[in-house]
Amino acid sequence: SQTIHQWPATLVQPVGSPLSLECTVEGTSNPNLYWYRQAAGRGLQLLFYSVGIGQISSEVPQNLSASRPQDRQFILSSKKLLLSDSGFYLCAWSVSVDFSTDTQYFGPGTRLTVL
Amino acid sequence: GQQVMQIPQYQHVQEGEDFTTYCNSSTTLSNIQWYKQRPGGHPVFLIQLVKSGEVKKQKRLTFQFGEAKKNSSLHITATQTTDVGTYFCAGSSSWGSSNTGKLIFGQGTTLQVKP
Repeated sequence: SQTIHQWPATLVQPVGSPLSLECTVEGTSNPNLYWYRQAAGRGLQLLFYSVGIGQISSEVPQNLSASRPQDRQFILSSKKLLLSDSGFYLCAWSVSVDFSTDTQYFGPGTRLTVL
Repeated sequence: GQQVMQIPQYQHVQEGEDFTTYCNSSTTLSNIQWYKQRPGGHPVFLIQLVKSGEVKKQKRLTFQFGEAKKNSSLHITATQTTDVGTYFCAGSSSWGSSNTGKLIFGQGTTLQVKP
């Protein structure tokens, strides 16, 4: 069966510090991978998605970047965190066979607080 | 760009009352999906609707997809405290082999149930 891991689960970082969040998927090959951010009490904002190794699409201009060094690994990074980067970061995966099978499965998330 | 609007944003009900959340898209969707996020948790896939006018049931939950494939609803009959959480609809308008699996999420409806 497929599983998705995210770490760390919780992170408190000072403004201006770097960030690296990791997401890995097991039990599937060539998944689509996604990074979302959810502000407290708000909806899901798609940040990045990737359809393959080294292929990253950015949805919104921001202080963050993403990389996919391996098929089932997705990394979210920042060189200098801002207060507005605080939130709940969710990684998700899907496997697209056709348009009707793009269900997304979410990881447990990382709660980031920037102070 | 494509938008998915969801109403209401919040709903408080007495246990045993019914609950409905509505989802409207600015464009025709190829499918609509519903997710539930428990407080402190991550979104979990509930169901996917693909066909125009489709209705699906999961115990006390009834999901509908509009005839024009631009709106959807989730209805919960006789709510229970276990129904507490935020319900998201998510739409996809991608077709064919170029599908990236991208979903556009509504802002969610947060349901509170008073015992």
